Amino acid sequence: EPEVTQTPSHQVTQMGQEVILRCVPISNHLYFYWYRQILGQKVEFLVSFYNNEISEKSEIFDDQFSVERPDGSNFTLKIRSTKLEDSAMYFCASRPGRTIANYGYTFGSGTRLTVV
Amino acid sequence: DQQVKQNSPSLSVQEGRISILNCDYTNSMFDYFLWYKKYPAEGPTFLISISSIKDKNEDGRFTVFLNKSAKHLSLHIVPSQPGDSAVYFCAASPSYGGSQGNLIFGKGTKLSVKP
Repeated sequence: EPEVTQTPSHQVTQMGQEVILRCVPISNHLYFYWYRQILGQKVEFLVSFYNNEISEKSEIFDDQFSVERPDGSNFTLKIRSTKLEDSAMYFCASRPGRTIANYGYTFGSGTRLTVV
Repeated sequence: DQQVKQNSPSLSVQEGRISILNCDYTNSMFDYFLWYKKYPAEGPTFLISISSIKDKNEDGRFTVFLNKSAKHLSLHIVPSQPGDSAVYFCAASPSYGGSQGNLIFGKGTKLSVKP
């Protein structure tokens, strides 16, 4: 079964450093997402990406965050200057199309980001 | 601002019995609802969904009920099995507009099924 692959599984970084979280979505999917889950809290929408541009972003997704699809397969989330409160599990997800039947999209296993 | 609420953080049931997980929402623009299951150290896994044009959707042991007037949905698992033990997230999305397909999640309910 096709999978969404995320690397690394765990990233530890110092406050103020830049991090890049990597994702390989399912190859024929068109919509890509980043979500995050702070420990003990709900899964939160960060950003959606379609046709090589951001479709929508949440209030969390401020100027410190950016996304990129540099080639046909990778989808990255960059945090420019990490803060302690960025520590969370970050999930990448993708779905095939725009119709409602495709809303049950596929999540990756996540990258646990720890900012120290 | 919790647009999707799961008021029970945990639920414990006996194997073979019914598990009922509840979810409430406040945003009238939501018209598509999903349930995800999550094991530790894994991403959420899609379980079942329902469109607002229906009030029930069934898939094997899993049934989702939607009460639009009450803005309430529930997931029934019958019979419950120990392998169902996980955190269950309710999620909602509008099916039109710029936010279509962007999921708003509840905080989750941890289900424990005891043998």
